[in-house]
Amino acid sequence: GENVEQHPSTLSVQEGDSAVIKCTYSDSASNYFPWYKQELGKRPQLIIDIRSNVGEKKDQRIAVTLNKTAKHFSLHITETQPEDSAVYFCAASVAYKYIFGTGTRLKVLA
Amino acid sequence: DTAVSQTPKYLVTQMGNDKSIKCEQNLGHDTMYWYKQDSKKFLKIMFSYNNKELIINETVPNRFSPKSPDKAHLNLHINSLELGDSAVYFCASSQVSGQGAEQYFGPGTRLTVT
Repeated sequence: GENVEQHPSTLSVQEGDSAVIKCTYSDSASNYFPWYKQELGKRPQLIIDIRSNVGEKKDQRIAVTLNKTAKHFSLHITETQPEDSAVYFCAASVAYKYIFGTGTRLKVLA
Repeated sequence: DTAVSQTPKYLVTQMGNDKSIKCEQNLGHDTMYWYKQDSKKFLKIMFSYNNKELIINETVPNRFSPKSPDKAHLNLHINSLELGDSAVYFCASSQVSGQGAEQYFGPGTRLTVT
């Protein structure tokens, strides 16, 4: 059935290092892949998204890559800062809904 | 000028009770959603409404009944609450129900069933 796998579940990096979170989706019809950031006790908020006709998208320190053939997409955060610490969710569109990954808790150590 | 608002923010109740959570969006969006986030942070869609019509109904117990009086409001009523219903419930909205529309989430309602 519809499924989005996300790895790792937790990730600790030193401030200034890069962080990479990977997701795999199952439905080949998915064509939109958003990433959400959820800070402790807050709502999820969109940070970047990518559509299936694009292989890579960048917004300042955040980038997302998509490999449609392998059904993989990844979030890259460079020059991490303590305020990047949060739970990150990937998602894939399926029909009229999004299937979310299981989340990655990112800790940026000062 | 909150985009998506929910009430209440916290809800503590006993097993067997019936409770409601309300959601309103002032973004002019056509589609609204309810999500459940459990203690492990899994975000799972429950329902979606487009212009007051139900378009997504995931495998959710019949005790959960959404109602959309107009396209700016989507309420969630839960009958006979169980311990396993304890979670954070998020309302969200998007411009359209098709793929590629950003979803805006409300602040969440933390439901605790004792």
